[in-house]
Amino acid sequence: GQNIDQPTEMTATEGAIVQINCTYQTSGFNGLFWYQQHAGEAPTFLSYNVLDGLEEKGRFSSFLSRSKGYSYLLLKELQMKDSASYLCAVRDRRGGNKLTFGTGTQLKVEL
Amino acid sequence: NAGVTQTPKFRVLKTGQSMTLLCAQDMNHEYMYWYRQDPGMGLRLIHYSVGEGTTAKGEVPDGYNVSRLKKQNFLLGLESAAPSQTSVYFCASSYSWDRVDQETQYFGPGTRLLVL
Repeated sequence: GQNIDQPTEMTATEGAIVQINCTYQTSGFNGLFWYQQHAGEAPTFLSYNVLDGLEEKGRFSSFLSRSKGYSYLLLKELQMKDSASYLCAVRDRRGGNKLTFGTGTQLKVEL
Repeated sequence: NAGVTQTPKFRVLKTGQSMTLLCAQDMNHEYMYWYRQDPGMGLRLIHYSVGEGTTAKGEVPDGYNVSRLKKQNFLLGLESAAPSQTSVYFCASSYSWDRVDQETQYFGPGTRLLVL
């Protein structure tokens, strides 16, 4: 099976930078995805990493280290609308490339 | 395009009742999924389909059945609802599993189910 760990909750200030970490354990790693989910809404895709390094998409960046089983999502210039749950999901080729989701990190952005 | 739609949005059932949740997508995606989301548990895969006429079990399939008679529709059935099935159910679809960039899953708005 897979083990995906994320912090349960984080709080940050509007305009600041926040880093949400995700660690995983799987022998068939084939990609890591980040989704954003606002309360009462569906998850929406943010980014994915297959190779080591940083992927930048506007205010959001995602980093991957396969050797360490570690990823983070970096949110810059935080806005109130960034208050949401951020889900880390791992793709495992042994499981037919299905996604396994972490429990999510609830981010609260304060003034 | 409507993307992924789900019906109903909310339902209350009594223990032992049955119901079917309908998911429809208009993106011509091959792959479709049913998840449940519970507090502290994250999204868990119930069943999935890799194409019309095919279905497979996910992580938590017990108590549920599915059918994919048409490419655009994926139905989730509860034959005899139990309080443990109170949850938020999300349907999702993706283009394929051939490449990571095609794996992006698009989610429907969810169905909130309460079983009394």
